[in-house]
Amino acid sequence: GAVVSQHPSWVICKSGTSVKIECRSLDFQATTMFWYRQFPKQSLMLMATSNEGSKATYEQGVEKDKFLINHASLTLSTLTVTSAHPEDSSFYICSARAGLAGVRETQYFGPGTRLLVL
Amino acid sequence: DAKTTQPPSMDCAEGRAANLPCNHSTISGNEYVYWYRQIHSQGPQYIIHGLKNNETNEMASLIITEDRKSSTLILPHATLRDTAVYYCIVHAGGTSYGKLTFGQGTILTVHP
Repeated sequence: GAVVSQHPSWVICKSGTSVKIECRSLDFQATTMFWYRQFPKQSLMLMATSNEGSKATYEQGVEKDKFLINHASLTLSTLTVTSAHPEDSSFYICSARAGLAGVRETQYFGPGTRLLVL
Repeated sequence: DAKTTQPPSMDCAEGRAANLPCNHSTISGNEYVYWYRQIHSQGPQYIIHGLKNNETNEMASLIITEDRKSSTLILPHATLRDTAVYYCIVHAGGTSYGKLTFGQGTILTVHP
């Protein structure tokens, strides 16, 4: 139980294009999902908190108009990197909060999406 | 969230127990101790968490000192696949649950 998937697992795109990353909780409902970014040899940095049916909360320094987050259902959140540039190349990881009966309250992470912007 | 301190790296022989320490001297009464690990190029994997009692699951054991200022994650029989970065995170649970703050963690290398 408590599996989180991400799609795609990796993507290469041209500078100026937009990329959408999906995060799904496969066997539980998640009212809250989180989006992280990790640069090489660094730790995970939280970008935003996504709540189902409401606007995402962004961390300081993260541009909300550049990183669009939509949490339209209890099992799906999407991150769209708009007008991507080479400096947006990174490892993007989502997590979903689980706190339902039978699943201990914690966050479960997806496998990550590696983005390379040329 | 309270800050945690972990050694930057540790080595362990395959088949032996790996004991990973974590200091969290400023932990509050409602904060849990969470452990995650991240194998290279993958998303973090939840291992275990606890409040004040020792916890054990199929992956590991978590020993929390009586004053809750430190804890130890124990992998009883380390394998090569346990080589990863291990993160100790202190975080409030229950209705206060929210974002996790990752530090630099401990790089555990299990060698043959």
